[in-house]
This record gives sequence, C-alpha cells and structure tokens, in this order.
Amino acid sequence: KAGVTQTPRYLIKTRGQQVTLSCSPISGHRSVSWYQQTPGQGLQFLFEYFSETQRNKGNFPGRFSGRQFSNSRSEMNVSTLELGDSALYLCASSLDSTYEQYFGPGTRLTVT
Amino acid sequence: ILNVEQSPQSLHVQEGDSTNFTCSFPSSNFYALHWYRWETAKSPEALFVMTLNGDEKKKGRISATLNTKEGYSYLYIKGSQPEDSATYLCLRTYKYIFGTGTRLKVLA
Repeated sequence: KAGVTQTPRYLIKTRGQQVTLSCSPISGHRSVSWYQQTPGQGLQFLFEYFSETQRNKGNFPGRFSGRQFSNSRSEMNVSTLELGDSALYLCASSLDSTYEQYFGPGTRLTVT
Repeated sequence: ILNVEQSPQSLHVQEGDSTNFTCSFPSSNFYALHWYRWETAKSPEALFVMTLNGDEKKKGRISATLNTKEGYSYLYIKGSQPEDSATYLCLRTYKYIFGTGTRLKVLA
C-alpha cells in the first residue's frame, strides 16, 4: 500500500508570492489534515478535510486555504507569502479522526 | 488545563531502563487522543489512538493508558533501547492540539 505523498518536497518562494502544496493520501483514506511545523511553535494544525468538506480549521489567517478533491487528494494554498510562513508543512491521512493518521514526508517551504 | 501539556520536556535514560511520560489535556470535549513517535528527519509515526476512558493499548514494549475524566494519558516504554530515542507527541483531536512533546534519549 503506497504511503502519503507530498509534492513538492522543497520550495523556495519570495515574499508576496503564493504557493500551492499537494498531498495524496493513502488509498481509501477520506480524511486529510495539514500541519505546520516551525522551530518556535512546534506542530500546529491548519485544517482537516473529509470527503471534500473542511471539517476543522486551526487558528491561521485567511491567507491559508485548502481544498480536497473527489479522489481525496488535497491541496493547500498560501497567498501573499510572509517570511514567517517558512516552515515544514506536513499532511496526514486517515480513515477518520479516531483512526491512526499517516504522515507524508512534508514540504519544506522557504520564503525569502 | 487549557492546553495540551507533556512532561517531562526531555529525558535521558540508560538502555534497559523503563520510562514513562505524561500528556495532560482539558477533560471537556474529548474525542480522541493520539500518540506519535517522531524521529529526527522523519515523519511522525502513529503509535496509538485512544478513545475511551480506561483504554489501555500496547505495541511491543510500548503501552499507553487514558483517563479522560481527569485529562491525562501515560505512555510507557519498557526496557528502553537506543532506537527508542525520539520525540513523543500526543494530539488531542478536539481542535487538533499537539502537546509540546517529550524528547527521549536512550543511552547505550
């Protein structure tokens, strides 16, 4: 069974630009969650999608948005990038929130 | 408790020692508690998902217990090995809040 994949793995962007990150969950998993990891803040929850609907949202500004497609693949978009958005972005998939989450390798975003 | 707290923050033990850490969380609005093991340069690996008060789960030398009424979960490692060295994280799925983690170093 293929694991969770994320693309791209590394990305360098300039302040003010926007970026789209992609996450392909394990086959059969309908829940996809996104997390941001920064050295100072640890792992923070961005949002969770289940069957194409955003079910939970963390405390991030509206510049962070996401969506989920009918095949459960999910994208996360960050507009008007700021230096503080530099982080490792992880996605995780599961059957549902009371099941184990499987994490992808992450996308390392650097904003200059 | 308003947040998810883990203690201790870091821990050094000798190979063969048994150890345990704590995850404390608000006892209201409980859905599930996840435990993860996170090694440097790797992705978090799921250990347990605990949903019911009194739950006890075990995977090899690692086990966990859950008390939803008082808002805590313990993770135990029996006979620690150097490969157990990692950061252990708990996640409360109500509002998806991670604890700050316990960094374990097992000395050979």
